[in-house]
Formats: sequence, structure tokens, C-alpha cells
Amino acid sequence: DADVTQTPRNRITKTGKRIMLECSQTKGHDRMYWYRQDPGLGLRLIYYSFDVKDINKGEISDGYSVSRQAQAKFSLSLESAIPNQTALYFCATSPTGVKETQYFGPGTRLLVL
Amino acid sequence: AQRVTQPEKLLSVFKGAPVELKCNYSYSGSPELFWYVQYSRQRLQLLLRHISRESIKGFTADLNKGETSFHLKKPFAQEEDSAMYYCALNRASGTYKYIFGTGTRLKVLA
Repeated sequence: DADVTQTPRNRITKTGKRIMLECSQTKGHDRMYWYRQDPGLGLRLIYYSFDVKDINKGEISDGYSVSRQAQAKFSLSLESAIPNQTALYFCATSPTGVKETQYFGPGTRLLVL
Repeated sequence: AQRVTQPEKLLSVFKGAPVELKCNYSYSGSPELFWYVQYSRQRLQLLLRHISRESIKGFTADLNKGETSFHLKKPFAQEEDSAMYYCALNRASGTYKYIFGTGTRLKVLA
């Protein structure tokens, strides 16, 4: 089945470490997104990419960077992790078009000590 | 500013009771609105979209442009409806597409 996968599913790291979260999809969608989910704050957009050469900041991009290695792969990096980046991170994809639906990965639970 | 508001963080109802999850939005254009659901230990998934005017798992939602609302309703709640529900707005223009509300956790009590 066409799917959206995220690795790792869980990660514990220390303050100051650089880490990368990876997202892969077999849906053939051009558009990919990274969100973080925090209790009481819902989903907030970190970065999004409408194709391999198009990457855009979302509402909370500070402290994060991304790489779109291919249509199917979109990685999120924390250059120097800090405790308030502890959250659940979701990758999502969508087909191009106004009536798009987003398809979410299973999430990566990150704990920064 | 564009915004999606879900005023209730938690909504508890008894099995068989009617459910209404509130969603209000602010957007000057013609929005597309969605409800997404996240069941325990599952990924976020689309429940329904206003343009389809469909009923999924007994849930319906009507876009009320006058009240800028898109409330999710079900006449008789089931225990398996317990989940986190997010209302989302898809803008036809702008720097990015989706705006999510903060979510409402629905608990259906036996």
C-alpha cells in the first residue's frame, strides 16, 4: 500500500545534539510537510515543500532545517536540540491541487533532555 | 488573520448521546474545511471534508458561512468515537495551505 513512513518512531537525545528525522512516501505526492504536535497547541507547521526545488518556512521554523532529497524523501533536522523541542513530529504529504487532502505519517516522538 | 478555533479541549459525552464538536474559522476568502481524527495509537487521518457533503462513521459537518462555523455532529455517540479531532482550513491562496485548530479530545463514556 502507498504510505507515509517516518524514522525513527521514538528518539531520546541530549541538549545540543544534532538529530535528523526522516520521512519517506510512496504515494507519489509532490507536496510534503513537517508539523509538530504539542498538547493544547494542536499541529503547527514547521516547513513545507511543494516540489524538490521548493522549500518554505512554516510558522515555527526557528531551530529547524529541512532537506528534500527526492520527491519521496523529506528530512527534518534539529541543528542543536533544546528541551522545548520535545514534541510529537508528523510528516504529511498531499497531491497537488486546491482540493488536497493531507496524508500523515505515524509520527516521531522526540524527547530532548 | 486566518485562524481556526476549537473552543473545547475536552468533550465528554455518554454513549448514545448526541455529539457536537465546535469549529469556527476566520478567513476572508472561500475556505475549504476538513475534520481530521486521531484515534489512540493511530495516525492522523481525514474524517470528512465540507465539499463532499458526506457522512462518515455517522458524522456530518455543515459549513455555515454566515457564522463562519464548521461544527462536527453525530446524533448517537459510540465508544469507538473517542479520539482527538482537529478542524482544518485549506486556503486557496497564501504562503501555505493548511491551518489546524488546537483539537478537541472526545471521550465517550459507557
